[in-house]
Amino acid sequence: EPEVTQTPSHQVTQMGQEVILRCVPISNHLYFYWYRQILGQKVEFLVSFYNNEISEKSEIFDDQFSVERPDGSNFTLKIRSTKLEDSAMYFCASSDHLGADYGYTFGSGTRLTVV
Amino acid sequence: AQSVTQLGSHVSVSEGALVLLRCNYSSSVPPYLFWYVQYPNQGLQLLLKYTSAATLVKGINGFEAEFKKSETSFHLTKPSAHMSDAAEYFCAVSLFNQGGKLIFGQGTELSVKP
Repeated sequence: EPEVTQTPSHQVTQMGQEVILRCVPISNHLYFYWYRQILGQKVEFLVSFYNNEISEKSEIFDDQFSVERPDGSNFTLKIRSTKLEDSAMYFCASSDHLGADYGYTFGSGTRLTVV
Repeated sequence: AQSVTQLGSHVSVSEGALVLLRCNYSSSVPPYLFWYVQYPNQGLQLLLKYTSAATLVKGINGFEAEFKKSETSFHLTKPSAHMSDAAEYFCAVSLFNQGGKLIFGQGTELSVKP
């Protein structure tokens, strides 16, 4: 069964450093998403991406965050200057249709720890 | 704005017992509703979804959920728990005009005792 692959599975970074989280969506999917889960809290929507541009973003997704699909296969989330509160599990997801009713495929997540 | 509340952050059942995980939603328009499961060190896997067809939805691994509009609920059930059902379960809501964004509940950790 096709999978969404996220790398790395764990990343530790120092506060203020830039970090890039990588995702390889399912090859024929067109819609891409990032979610995060701070330990003990809800899974929260960050951003959706379609046709090489952001479709929707949450209030969390401020100027410190950016996404891109640099080579037609990878989908990356960049945090420019990490803060302690960015420590969380970050999930990538992809879908071949617009609308959650078709269901996403989620990756296994990247656990980001900012120290 | 829509929201999801899962009652009980931890639920413990004995193997073979009924599993009931509660989810209530708030939405101004008919929602799409989902249950996802997360096994340790794995991603979120779709268990089942309600998209305005039959109100009783059957999913994978013997789970089912019933959409009750009058109660704004979408509780997840399984008649007989198995040890392999131990995981974190998330209820989520989406609206048809929201571009695919999911709003999640806080999750319920299910433990299964032998």
